[in-house]
Amino acid sequence: KQEVTQIPAALSVPEGENLVLNCSFTDSAIYNLQWFRQDPGKGLTSLLLIQSSQREQTSGRLNASLDKSSGRSTLYIAASQPGDSATYLCAVRPSNAGGTSYGKLTFGQGTILTVHP
Amino acid sequence: GAGVSQSPSNKVTEKGKDVELRCDPISGHTALYWYRQSLGQGLEFLIYFQGNSAPDKSGLPSDRFSAERTGGSVSTLTIQRTQQEDSAVYLCASSLRPDRGEAKNIQYFGAGTRLSVL
Repeated sequence: KQEVTQIPAALSVPEGENLVLNCSFTDSAIYNLQWFRQDPGKGLTSLLLIQSSQREQTSGRLNASLDKSSGRSTLYIAASQPGDSATYLCAVRPSNAGGTSYGKLTFGQGTILTVHP
Repeated sequence: GAGVSQSPSNKVTEKGKDVELRCDPISGHTALYWYRQSLGQGLEFLIYFQGNSAPDKSGLPSDRFSAERTGGSVSTLTIQRTQQEDSAVYLCASSLRPDRGEAKNIQYFGAGTRLSVL
């Protein structure tokens, strides 16, 4: 059974810092990995999606890397801002033996990020 | 619509009552997913619909939970004889067919229905 772990559980940093959020997964047979952010009382917003064949994806100040063989992904946030404060969730989609994906995502517990001015 | 819409946004019910939660996916999305987010449990998968295929119900926690998707669009999650442990935020997501192309894998989430069972 796939298990996804996110470290740290919570992080508080001053504005302007670069930071790294970590995600690890136990089963490397994944189709892709997604990073989401969740604001209080709201749904999830997809930030980055990395296919299993890719090593990294970038969007603005965000960079996500994937090392499938070691079961790890990192989300790098550059020059953090108070508006980045949210819960960040990592999720993996499994692949079956044929290489096509099942629909369901397995989520980590999330990292609660607070960026203070 | 522009995004995934869920209703109601909040639902308070008494233990033992049945509840129905509704999800309107993004127009044109063939895949629809239900997840549950509980305190201390994180986000867990419940059920997945893809087109006319049989749904993947492997995440439903008990036979009190069921879901249907009519006409390949709107979905209803039904919880019968609700229990206090059913209290959670129920999230719905949709995507284009997930096995074709990178961009079509992205799941778009609704704001969720917060269910409180008293």
